[in-house]
Amino acid sequence: DGGITQSPKYLFRKEGQNVTLSCEQNLNHDAMYWYRQDPGQGLRLIYYSQIVNDFQKGDIAEGYSVSREKKESFPLTVTSAQKNPTAFYLCASSTAGWRPGNNEQFFGPGTRLTVL
Amino acid sequence: SQQGEEDPQALSIQEGENATMNCSYKTSINNLQWYRQNSGRGLVHLILIRSNEREKHSGRLRVTLDTSKKSSSLLITASRAADTASYFCATGPGGRGSTLGRLYFGRGTQLTVWP
Repeated sequence: DGGITQSPKYLFRKEGQNVTLSCEQNLNHDAMYWYRQDPGQGLRLIYYSQIVNDFQKGDIAEGYSVSREKKESFPLTVTSAQKNPTAFYLCASSTAGWRPGNNEQFFGPGTRLTVL
Repeated sequence: SQQGEEDPQALSIQEGENATMNCSYKTSINNLQWYRQNSGRGLVHLILIRSNEREKHSGRLRVTLDTSKKSSSLLITASRAADTASYFCATGPGGRGSTLGRLYFGRGTQLTVWP
């Protein structure tokens, strides 16, 4: 099955702890994205990567970090510096890379992070 | 902000009726896309319309784009209870200096279709 997976589905964290959310895709996509979604809100872009070993900050990158060592994987670390981390986190991928046009994004099922 | 804005925020209809959702945006675009999200799930791509297109169809979905008014509409015909979900528009920016590949999402329209 081709697709994009996220794990875990639910994650609980104590204040002051870092936590890493996993995102893997086997669609051979160049570009990958991390979004945050709060209740009743749209998606806000945290980080994105258009190619392996390169990534850019999105609109709300503070308190988050990412790596893109492999094409298939784009893990997101929520650090203790993120003041309000409780949210639904969505990972996506697309073929767009550096080209405009058919940049349809494929989404994973999401990880719900709760800080206790 | 480059985000699109959907209207209405919530829409409640009976099965068999048509549902129309609107999206307005502020900057130039390369394309506009509509996505669907069931509660607690990831988004699913529905349809993409390019800036040089005016209308596109996919099954029971019809999307229109008016770049002069910077607006788009999504029409779902003969709605079913299974269409209950949130619907988001997303714009792919155009113009010089725009970051290629990223999308800007609106806050969504919550559609409820009653049996």
